[in-house]
Amino acid sequence: EAGVAQSPRYKIIEKRQSVAFWCNPISGHATLYWYQQILGQGPKLLIQFQNNGVVDDSQLPKDRFSAERLKGVDSTLKIQPAKLEDSAVYLCASSLVHGSSYEQYFGPGTRLTVT
Amino acid sequence: DQQVKQNSPSLSVQEGRISILNCDYTNSMFDYFLWYKKYPAEGPTFLISISSIKDKNEDGRFTVFLNKSAKHLSLHIVPSQPGDSAVYFCAASVENYGQNFVFGPGTRLSVLP
Repeated sequence: EAGVAQSPRYKIIEKRQSVAFWCNPISGHATLYWYQQILGQGPKLLIQFQNNGVVDDSQLPKDRFSAERLKGVDSTLKIQPAKLEDSAVYLCASSLVHGSSYEQYFGPGTRLTVT
Repeated sequence: DQQVKQNSPSLSVQEGRISILNCDYTNSMFDYFLWYKKYPAEGPTFLISISSIKDKNEDGRFTVFLNKSAKHLSLHIVPSQPGDSAVYFCAASVENYGQNFVFGPGTRLSVLP
């Protein structure tokens, strides 16, 4: 079974530029998550989708971050414009269904550096 | 305010000995806990979980203990192997609210040959 795919793996941009990350979850997984992991911290949930609907985006900085999951499969996360503090690893995860006891499978992440 | 704390940023253990990783939480509503393991340049992978109705869960060399009154859980790895060297994250959630896990900052475990 193929895992969660993310691209690009690395991205360097200047502040105020835009950037987009792509995630393809495990086939058949209804729930998709985007996390932000700043160096030295644990992953922080940004947004959670159930199929193509948003379940929780309470920690997404909506003035600059946006995410979509068209057709309930792959997803994109966009930052526009980027700030220095957005430098982090952006992790995508998926799970079969919504619920604590269902394991989340993480992709390798996209490391973003904002200069 | 950190709801999930892992106060040891790093831990070194000799191969074959026991590794004990600790995690404390502040939110008494948390009732489901997991440990994830992360190698460099990879995403976290699920290791073991425990529900608040239990105080211990075991899976091979890995055992998680939960002390609800102390709001503390620990992960024991026995015996430790060099391949266990990784960053370990503790995560907690309120099960009725789904999978919105709160992660701790992680502990880097080094198992020395």
